[in-house]
Amino acid sequence: SQTIHQWPATLVQPVGSPLSLECTVEGTSNPNLYWYRQAAGRGLQLLFYSVGIGQISSEVPQNLSASRPQDRQFILSSKKLLLSDSGFYLCAWGRDNTDTQYFGPGTRLTVL
Amino acid sequence: ELKVEQNPLFLSMQEGKNYTIYCNYSTTSDRLYWYRQDPGKSLESLFVLLSNGAVKQEGRLMASLDTKARLSTLHITAAVHDLSATYFCAVDSGGSNYKLTFGKGTLLTVNP
Repeated sequence: SQTIHQWPATLVQPVGSPLSLECTVEGTSNPNLYWYRQAAGRGLQLLFYSVGIGQISSEVPQNLSASRPQDRQFILSSKKLLLSDSGFYLCAWGRDNTDTQYFGPGTRLTVL
Repeated sequence: ELKVEQNPLFLSMQEGKNYTIYCNYSTTSDRLYWYRQDPGKSLESLFVLLSNGAVKQEGRLMASLDTKARLSTLHITAAVHDLSATYFCAVDSGGSNYKLTFGKGTLLTVNP
């Protein structure tokens, strides 16, 4: 069966510090991978998606970036965090649109 | 640009009552997904609706899709406290990337 992991689970960072969030998927190959952000406990905003190694598409211009160094690994990064980067970051994987997207447990980021 | 609107955004129900959450979307799509989110948790898939007229049921929840009206409904029958959560609908925006656009969510509170 497939599982998706995210770490860390919780993170408190000062403004201006760097960020690295990791997501890995087990039990499947060549998945589509997605990073979402949920601010203020409500709607989800798609940040990045990837259909393969090294292939990243950005949905929203911001100070975040994403990379996919391996087939089942997706990393979200920032060189300098802003207060507005606080939120709940969710990684998801999917195969195609005949099935759902499967979400990881999330990372709660607080920027102070 | 695909827009997804849910209503109501907040719903307070008495146990044992029935109610419906509505999800309208702005462009043609025949793939719609419902998710549940408990406070502080990630998203859990509820239903995948892949064609006009699709109906899925699980326990006290039933989801349907009318692609001509661009409308999906999530019907709650005889609500119980355990159904208290935030419910999201998401629509596939088309293309091979399998990107989802989410509604803002409906916060459901079921009172004894």
